[in-house]
Amino acid sequence: AQKITQTQPGMFVQEKEAVTLDCTYDTSDPSYGLFWYKQPSSGEMIFLIYQGSYDQQNATEGRYSLNFQKARKSANLVISASQLGDSAMYFCAMREISGGSNYKLTFGKGTLLTVNP
Amino acid sequence: DGGITQSPKYLFRKEGQNVTLSCEQNLNHDAMYWYRQDPGQGLRLIYYSQIVNDFQKGDIAEGYSVSREKKESFPLTVTSAQKNPTAFYLCASSIGPQGRRETQYFGPGTRLLVL
Repeated sequence: AQKITQTQPGMFVQEKEAVTLDCTYDTSDPSYGLFWYKQPSSGEMIFLIYQGSYDQQNATEGRYSLNFQKARKSANLVISASQLGDSAMYFCAMREISGGSNYKLTFGKGTLLTVNP
Repeated sequence: DGGITQSPKYLFRKEGQNVTLSCEQNLNHDAMYWYRQDPGQGLRLIYYSQIVNDFQKGDIAEGYSVSREKKESFPLTVTSAQKNPTAFYLCASSIGPQGRRETQYFGPGTRLLVL
C-alpha cells in the first residue's frame, strides 16, 4: 500500500483564489511528521510547511496552511490568494520515527498546480 | 549565503562509464541524502549519511556509491552497474536528529542523461 497518496495529478486555479491540494497517508506509527514541498519547473524542492502528529493546531506559514485531520489521516495543503508564481509541482511527504527509519522521507507522486491569470 | 549546491546541472553518461555528481552544503548540517526522481514520480532515497565517514543504503542503492569524507560534501557516483540511470538527482541535507520535525533542504538538482 502506498504510504502517501496524492489523488490529484493536476489542479487549476484562478489567480487570487484559494486552492486545496489533497494528501492522505498511511502509518501505524503514533509519532510522525508531514511535510509539503514545492517543485518549480527549475527542479529544486522548496520546503513549505510542516505538521507534527502531536500538534494540536493546524500549521500555517504565510499563504500556506495545512488542514490536518488525524483521524482521517489527511494533511491537505491550502494555498490562499494564489499567485502565478505558485504554478509548480507540489509534493506531500511523511517522516516516521519508529522502526529505525527516522531518517527517511516518503514522498507522494505530486500534484501539478497551474494558476491561471 | 547558506545553501546546497549541486554540479553539474546536466551530465551525460556514455555506456559503461562511471560518473560522479557533486553535492556541497555550507549549512553546517550533519545529515545528507541523495534522491532520484523519475518523470511523474516522487523522490526515492538512494543513500543517506548521518555523520562523517558513515553512510547507509536507501531504497534503491544498487548501481550507486557514495562517500562522506567531509561534513560539507556527499558525492554520488553512478556506476556502470546502474542500467537505467537517466533521471533527476537531488541532494538534500538536514541539521541532525530532531525526530519527526527534522526538515530536509534540497539542492537544485542534476539531470543525468545517457548517450
